[in-house]
Amino acid sequence: GAVVSQHPSWVICKSGTSVKIECRSLDFQATTMFWYRQFPKQSLMLMATSNEGSKATYEQGVEKDKFLINHASLTLSTLTVTSAHPEDSSFYICSARTGGGNIQYFGAGTRLSVL
Amino acid sequence: EDKVVQSPLSLVVHEGDTVTLNCSYEVTNFRSLLWYKQEKKAPTFLFMLTSSGIEKKSGRLSSILDKKELFSILNITATQTGDSAVYLCALDSNYQLIWGAGTKLIIKP
Repeated sequence: GAVVSQHPSWVICKSGTSVKIECRSLDFQATTMFWYRQFPKQSLMLMATSNEGSKATYEQGVEKDKFLINHASLTLSTLTVTSAHPEDSSFYICSARTGGGNIQYFGAGTRLSVL
Repeated sequence: EDKVVQSPLSLVVHEGDTVTLNCSYEVTNFRSLLWYKQEKKAPTFLFMLTSSGIEKKSGRLSSILDKKELFSILNITATQTGDSAVYLCALDSNYQLIWGAGTKLIIKP
């Protein structure tokens, strides 16, 4: 149980285009989903927390207009990197948690390369 | 300020050795402490600890929490090359995870 699916696993795009990443909880309802970014050899950096049906809460320094998060259902959250640039290239990971639960279950991550 | 400090940052041992990874923390609102293993992709959950002195065990891995001294350890016995990974400690404070920098463990055959 507690499987989180993230898609795509790897995307290469041209500078200026937008990229959408999906995060699905397959066998549980995720009231809260988290989006992280990870640079090589560094730990996870929380970008935003999203609760189903409400606006995401972004961490300081994360541009909400650049990283659009939608959590329209209890099993799906999406992160859209708008007008991506090479500096947005990174490993993006989502996680999901049930209501009141302490454990976050992670998707496999998406490696974004912007040319 | 809430923080999580892991040590060592990196560790290289031979197959069969036993290793102990450390995680110390400072937090204003402790809910739980979690250990994750990260290989090439996203972290996979290992343990969640909420109470002092109760050892959690899964195969060759075990972990324990000391809420008085504010630390946790993760033990791996009879290490195998498949144990090579980054081990992450995270603190659940106010429903968000505060991450340590991780310990990179390399097991040599």
